[in-house]
Amino acid sequence: EAQVTQNPRYLITVTGKKLTVTCSQNMNHEYMSWYRQDPGLGLRQIYYSMNVEVTDKGDVPEGYKVSRKEKRNFPLILESPSPNQTSLYFCASKVSLGSYEQYFGPGTRLTVT
Amino acid sequence: KNEVEQSPQNLTAQEGEFITINCSYSVGISALHWLQQHPGGGIVSLFMLSSGKKKHGRLIATINIQEKHSSLHITASHPRDSAVYICAVRGVSGGGADGLTFGKGTHLIIQP
Repeated sequence: EAQVTQNPRYLITVTGKKLTVTCSQNMNHEYMSWYRQDPGLGLRQIYYSMNVEVTDKGDVPEGYKVSRKEKRNFPLILESPSPNQTSLYFCASKVSLGSYEQYFGPGTRLTVT
Repeated sequence: KNEVEQSPQNLTAQEGEFITINCSYSVGISALHWLQQHPGGGIVSLFMLSSGKKKHGRLIATINIQEKHSSLHITASHPRDSAVYICAVRGVSGGGADGLTFGKGTHLIIQP
C-alpha cells in the first residue's frame, strides 16, 4: 500500500531535549516536505526536499533541521525543542516539485513542556 | 503572499443537507487544492483545480479564476463527511518551495 508513515504519532517531551520525528514514503517520490499545523494558522511549510541531499527552508524553518540521505526518508530534527514548537506535524510527499497531488502522513502531535 | 480565506469557519448541518464551503484568495494562482482532514488528523487530497469544475461521488468543486473564488459542495451529506476541509492555493511564481498557502480550514459536523 502506497503510504507516508511518521513516528512517533504522539510525543511529550521537555524543553531542550533533542528529538527526531521520522518520515518514510514507499512511493519513490522525489519531493518531500514537513508542515506544522497550529490552531488559527493553518498548515505552514517548515522544510522541503526536492531530492536526495537537496533540502531547503520553507516558511517557518527556525528551530528545525532536516536531512535527506535516502530517497524514502526525511527526518525532522528538533535540536533544542521549545514550548512554541508544540504543534501537529505532517510529513508529505509527491512525485516531484511540479506534481500536484501530495500524500500526507498521519501526523505527529508534539507537546514540549 | 496570497491570503486565503475560508468560510464558514464552522458549520453544523443535518444529514442529507447540501453543504457549501467557500474559499477566496487574493492573488492569481496556478492551482487550488481541496483537502479533507479527518478527526484523527490524517489529511487526504480531494481535488486539484485550475479551472472549471470537478466531481467525485457526492463532492463537487468549482473555481472561478476571475473572481478568485472556489467552492466545495457536498450533496446528500452524511455523518462520515464530518471533517475539517482545507483550501490551499499554489502561486504562479516558481522556486523550490511548493508555493502552497493554506486556508485555516472549515470544521464541518453532520448530525444524524
